[in-house]
Parts: sequence; C-alpha cells; structure tokens
Amino acid sequence: AQKVTQAQTEISVVEKEDVTLDCVYETRDTTYYLFWYKQPPSGELVFLIRRNSFDEQNEISGRYSWNFQKSTSSFNFTITASQVVDSAVYFCALSEAGSGNTPLVFGKGTRLSVIA
Amino acid sequence: KAGVTQTPRYLIKTRGQQVTLSCSPISGHRSVSWYQQTPGQGLQFLFEYFSETQRNKGNFPGRFSGRQFSNSRSEMNVSTLELGDSALYLCASSESDRLAGELFFGEGSRLTVL
Repeated sequence: AQKVTQAQTEISVVEKEDVTLDCVYETRDTTYYLFWYKQPPSGELVFLIRRNSFDEQNEISGRYSWNFQKSTSSFNFTITASQVVDSAVYFCALSEAGSGNTPLVFGKGTRLSVIA
Repeated sequence: KAGVTQTPRYLIKTRGQQVTLSCSPISGHRSVSWYQQTPGQGLQFLFEYFSETQRNKGNFPGRFSGRQFSNSRSEMNVSTLELGDSALYLCASSESDRLAGELFFGEGSRLTVL
C-alpha cells in the first residue's frame, strides 16, 4: 500500500533562513509520481512540482529546490532565503502508476511559519 | 482562465440533513476529483470523474456520492450528515485523463455539522 510520511508537523523559521521539508514515501510500484503542493490560508492547494520515479535529477525553481532519492524513498523540499509569503501548509503526495494511475495519497502536511 | 470554482464556500448543517456541493472545473478540463480534508485524517480521496463516469472511489461510506455533468461540472452529495463529516471539501480538476496529471484545486467548501 502506498503511504506518505511528513514527520515535521510544524516548522518556524526567521525570514531569510533556509528550510527543508521532509517527505518519505512507501510504494511497491516501480513506476510512480511524487508531488508537492502548497496550501495557503485561502484553502486551495497549489501545485509546485511533479516527479516520476525514473527521474532522480534534483530540480531547482527560483528559491525552491527538490531532492529526490530513491535509495532512501525521500523527496525533500528546500526553500532558500525564506519569505513571509512562504508561510503555508505544504503537502507531499504520491500516485502509483503500475496499473493505471491511482489517486493522490497525501502526507499529513507540514505547517511552515516564516517570521519577519 | 478562471480557476476551479466551488460553491458554497461555507455552510452549516445539522445532523441527519443532507448537503450538495458544487464544483466548476477549469474550462476544458474533463477530470474532476474530490477530497475531504480534516485536521485528524488530513486529505483523503473521495472520488474522481472523467467524462461523466466515476473512475475511482475512495474508502468512504455510501452516504457520500457524486456525479458529473456533460459540461464537466460536478456535484457531491452527503446524506444523513454526521458530526464527523465536518470538513473542508476540495475539488480539483485536470486536463489529463490520467490522475498523475497536475491537479488544480478550488478553495473548497467548508462544511460544519452541528
């Protein structure tokens, strides 16, 4: 069965600090997709990134970067030079693709507070 | 392009009543998924529709049902409401017919059951 664990429930940092959000996943499929979503106070989840299981290249997008390591089943998310606008709940999610893509299974989320 | 629109945004019901929530996907998107978000259980998948057909269903009781119309708009219904149904119900649409596509979420309908 698929499972996503985000061990950090809440993180608080001071503006301009770097912060890493951890995500560990479990799946028996060899083909799967990993996602990160951001949920600001308004409620909607905003898509940040999708990775497939065959692409272990790290990705950087502005102040955001993602580290995918199959060996440790982790897909961590780093925000560099954090800003107050980064305050939100961040969710990691997994979809197995072995026999037709399964619905997203989300972790419990990490609430990030960036203090000015 | 307008985003995913959910109505109503907030509603209060009492136990035993029923509720219908509506979701208008992004124009051109044919896949609509519904999720329930609660503090205890987090985000849980309810069901997914594509071209008016339910393709996947989560582990929820039969009191939870949904449908999709020919214009891709979707509704979900919860009958015989229980206190535990209080939650934020999120709708997401996708232009892909595969669930691993990028999902675009609405702001949700916050249901309170008294």
